[in-house]
Amino acid sequence: EPEVTQTPSHQVTQMGQEVILRCVPISNHLYFYWYRQILGQKVEFLVSFYNNEISEKSEIFDDQFSVERPDGSNFTLKIRSTKLEDSAMYFCASKANTNEQFFGPGTRLTVL
Amino acid sequence: AQSVTQPDIHITVSEGASLELRCNYSYGATPYLFWYVQSPGQGLQLLLKYFSGDTLVQGIKGFEAEFKRSQSSFNLRKPSVHWSDAAEYFCAVTPIYNQGGKLIFGQGTELSVKP
Repeated sequence: EPEVTQTPSHQVTQMGQEVILRCVPISNHLYFYWYRQILGQKVEFLVSFYNNEISEKSEIFDDQFSVERPDGSNFTLKIRSTKLEDSAMYFCASKANTNEQFFGPGTRLTVL
Repeated sequence: AQSVTQPDIHITVSEGASLELRCNYSYGATPYLFWYVQSPGQGLQLLLKYFSGDTLVQGIKGFEAEFKRSQSSFNLRKPSVHWSDAAEYFCAVTPIYNQGGKLIFGQGTELSVKP
């Protein structure tokens, strides 16, 4: 069964460093998403991506964040200068032309 | 303001007992409704969804949910809980006219199962 994959599973970085979180969505899907979940809190929408551009972003998704689909398979989230409060689990999701999103296992980001 | 509310942060039930997890939403029009489950260290797995039609929807793992428009609720139920159901459960919505299809999640309900 096709699934969304994410790498790495755990990323530790120093405050101020850049990180790139990688996702491989399901191959025939058209819509891509990033969500985050701070420990003990709810899952929050960050950004949606369709047709090679951002279709919607939340207030959390400020200039420090960017997304890219550099080739036909990867979907990346970059945080340019990480802050302590960026520590969270980051989930990638994708969907086809339906309303069901499929989630990856997440990347736990720890900013020290 | 648009929101999804799960009033119960933590619920403990005995194995074999029935379960109901509550979810209320606040939107101008009925959104698409979902329940996801997250086991420790895992991603989010879709249990079931409601778009339209029959207000009682069946999902995987023996779960069902009932949409009640008058109460703006979409409660999740299971007649007999198994120890493996211990996990965190999230109710989520997608506003119908949202082109990007983002999901808005509730706070989650952590389910513990006693032997």
